[in-house]
Amino acid sequence: GENVEQHPSTLSVQEGDSAVIKCTYSDSASNYFPWYKQELGKGPQLIIDIRSNVGEKKDQRIAVTLNKTAKHFSLHITETQPEDSAVYFCAAWGEYGNKLVFGAGTILRVKS
Amino acid sequence: EAQVTQNPRYLITVTGKKLTVTCSQNMNHEYMSWYRQDPGLGLRQIYYSMNVEVTDKGDVPEGYKVSRKEKRNFPLILESPSPNQTSLYFCASSFGGTNEKLFFGSGTQLSVL
Repeated sequence: GENVEQHPSTLSVQEGDSAVIKCTYSDSASNYFPWYKQELGKGPQLIIDIRSNVGEKKDQRIAVTLNKTAKHFSLHITETQPEDSAVYFCAAWGEYGNKLVFGAGTILRVKS
Repeated sequence: EAQVTQNPRYLITVTGKKLTVTCSQNMNHEYMSWYRQDPGLGLRQIYYSMNVEVTDKGDVPEGYKVSRKEKRNFPLILESPSPNQTSLYFCASSFGGTNEKLFFGSGTQLSVL
């Protein structure tokens, strides 16, 4: 079955710097890759997603890149702000398994 | 407001005492699911329901039951809770499945003593 590995587990950056979180997946048939943000005391919330027919997607300060050959995808946050501090989860979905498999999560701390 | 509502937010119980965590969504979603979140393990699916007629096991279904008698509600039942079920639980819903945007509830922190 699908396996998703996420790195790093913890990331501290200075306000205004960029943050990058990387994920690798095992099932080459996976074709949908969302990223969820979980703030303290809340449920995860979708912040961006990408499907396998594109290599990059941007939404203001957030971007996701996908390399299907290498089976990895990354979340890029530019000009980080204190409100970006949260736990971020990557996930991968494939039609064969018809389920979404999550990474272990990354705790992002933005220091002001 | 579109939302997934879980209750209770916090629950402390003892081994073997049956409990139910409720979940309700007001978005007319077909798909509903339960996840548990444990440190270092991310979110793991317990059970899911594609619609009122279809319910199936996820990756970690042992010790849990669900029911989907109506579209908006999807309760999680622990018939005989054990300490290894101490976890943070989330209910989620979407229009068609997990390859679409999932809407999560605020979570239920369960402690089984």
